[in-house]
Amino acid sequence: GQNIDQPTEMTATEGAIVQINCTYQTSGFNGLFWYQQHAGEAPTFLSYNVLDGLEEKGRFSSFLSRSKGYSYLLLKELQMKDSASYLCAVMDSNYQLIWGAGTKLIIKP
Amino acid sequence: IAGITQAPTSQILAAGRRMTLRCTQDMRHNAMYWYRQDLGLGLRLIHYSNTAGTTGKGEVPDGYSVSRANTDDFPLTLASAVPSQTSVYFCASSKAGEGDTQYFGPGTRLTVL
Repeated sequence: GQNIDQPTEMTATEGAIVQINCTYQTSGFNGLFWYQQHAGEAPTFLSYNVLDGLEEKGRFSSFLSRSKGYSYLLLKELQMKDSASYLCAVMDSNYQLIWGAGTKLIIKP
Repeated sequence: IAGITQAPTSQILAAGRRMTLRCTQDMRHNAMYWYRQDLGLGLRLIHYSNTAGTTGKGEVPDGYSVSRANTDDFPLTLASAVPSQTSVYFCASSKAGEGDTQYFGPGTRLTVL
């Protein structure tokens, strides 16, 4: 079966750095996406990785290791507005997105 | 409009009733998708359409139907609603059906009693 695993909830302090991990087992791989979802809102696109390595975009970075079936999202200089759920999704061999259940990130002052 | 719109925003429905959730995009995206999101679970694909005139089944298609008469609209119909269809429904679109970023509408919160 296909499976995406990420922690259910994490807590971090404003101004700090947090790493959200995602491991996956899918039938085929055509890229990994990270989305942010604030409570009661739609998911919004953050990043896309298809090759191994680190992609940096401002305060957010995303890393991929295809051989390990592993990705992480790194958030630096945390702000209160970063409190949200972070969704990991893998595009499988049929070009369908398989979604993790999401990681709820709580930022404390 | 800019992006994807969904209607209604929320709805309470009696079991057994028919309901259509509307989705419209103005980005001229080829592909459109319907997902449901339930607490503790990832987004699950209900149906998709890679281009106008074609549709396909996702992971959880039973009890739902879709049509894609044109590029912009992708309605989702529940023929006879059941309580297990209580969920938040998101419509999404992407430029192409393969490997492209999906953009989401604001969602419809549906409660079936």
